[in-house]
Amino acid sequence: GAGVSQSPRYKVAKRGQDVALRCDPISGHVSLFWYQQALGQGPEFLTYFQNEAQLDKSGLPSDRFFAERPEGSVSTLKIQRTQQEDSAVYLCASSFQGEIRTDTQYFGPGTRLTVL
Amino acid sequence: GQQLNQSPQSMFIQEGEDVSMNCTSSSIFNTWLWYKQDPGEGPVLLIALYKAGELTSNGRLTAQFGITRKDSFLNISASIPSDVGIYFCAGQAPPRDAGGTSYGKLTFGQGTILTVHP
Repeated sequence: GAGVSQSPRYKVAKRGQDVALRCDPISGHVSLFWYQQALGQGPEFLTYFQNEAQLDKSGLPSDRFFAERPEGSVSTLKIQRTQQEDSAVYLCASSFQGEIRTDTQYFGPGTRLTVL
Repeated sequence: GQQLNQSPQSMFIQEGEDVSMNCTSSSIFNTWLWYKQDPGEGPVLLIALYKAGELTSNGRLTAQFGITRKDSFLNISASIPSDVGIYFCAGQAPPRDAGGTSYGKLTFGQGTILTVHP
């Protein structure tokens, strides 16, 4: 596809369940970012991959959050034992190469997670 | 987490009016960006600014990178109904900073909700 795709678009989980959110970046993009967007707020950085290497996970809110990108393309964000405060839109963005200043991050449509 | 201070939070205007919104930060950024987000979609880049003092236009949109590198504003002239949406400013960290590397991650403002009445 031409853009970043994410699935599922909507996910409802019961508190305590594990969830997995998928991101398909633009083909050939080296850099991949995950952001969390709470209702009425701007996105907040979670983690960054350069190819398969997770170089920055400083934004992950707890050890219940885990992200991987094993082959340097598709990425999965996993949240274990979901809590109500995890309810948010999870956005994925990719860029050709995150190390040059003119590099644009292209965002996917997001996955809206609701934890009941 | 850190967010930029963006104002106003919301605006209700008549079609044809001009709009102005701004963003301030306690930190210096090397790049300022303005995004628009429609319901159910991810943010889409409108304008990117790379140099302090830079003034850049994209159609009816004009944005400036503040001299102090801690602020930016976005103007929309002659608004139309399709301008409706949420506008976000974002500061982009340099690829490499004094602390090591930051890989260009974005810090966003809280957003400005724009409503345009026809």
